[in-house]
Amino acid sequence: GAVVSQHPSRVICKSGTSVKIECRSLDFQATTMFWYRQFPKQSLMLMATSNEGSKATYEQGVEKDKFLINHASLTLSTLTVTSAHPEDSSFYICSAQDRVFYGYTFGSGTRLTVV
Amino acid sequence: DAKTTQPPSMDCAEGRAANLPCNHSTISGNEYVYWYRQIHSQGPQYIIHGLKNNETNEMASLIITEDRKSSTLILPHATLRDTAVYYCIVRPYGSSNTGKLIFGQGTTLQVKP
Repeated sequence: GAVVSQHPSRVICKSGTSVKIECRSLDFQATTMFWYRQFPKQSLMLMATSNEGSKATYEQGVEKDKFLINHASLTLSTLTVTSAHPEDSSFYICSAQDRVFYGYTFGSGTRLTVV
Repeated sequence: DAKTTQPPSMDCAEGRAANLPCNHSTISGNEYVYWYRQIHSQGPQYIIHGLKNNETNEMASLIITEDRKSSTLILPHATLRDTAVYYCIVRPYGSSNTGKLIFGQGTTLQVKP
């Protein structure tokens, strides 16, 4: 079945630094990738949608200059949290949509802790 | 906003069937019903989806009412590993559609020994 690899699974960074999270579709080409954020005991909140070769579309209230998304190929999207602060600590999850079958596959998530 | 309503939590005895309801009274004709689950600290896992006919796969069965305003996910023989948050999502499906999955609050299913 379709597999999405998300890396790293956990990261701790200092306040003010930037962190990059990678999302790769391993055995399919992803037309579109989605980035979600999840706080403890809450549901997934969609942050942005990215299409290969074009700018990401951000959901209302999500700072595009803080959460930089790059979707340079049909198998790779990256999320960079810039100038991270403790309130950015969260569980970040990516999802890739198969360009042939239009199914959605999720990565295993990245636990970001900003200290 | 999510277009579905689910009970916040349910319990089920191990080995018994777990029946998880979902209300989607405003569903459109071109929208499918999807079910995903999320085990603690992992990414969501696809379970099943359907349009109007009942569907079954190796994981579960999906029963959609004739008016399509509600559905039930059935795990026929729940195990402790089925303890998770279950999300019911409706969205369009089509060859040119790249719509997003919007998650509601889901149902936390606790399978008990």
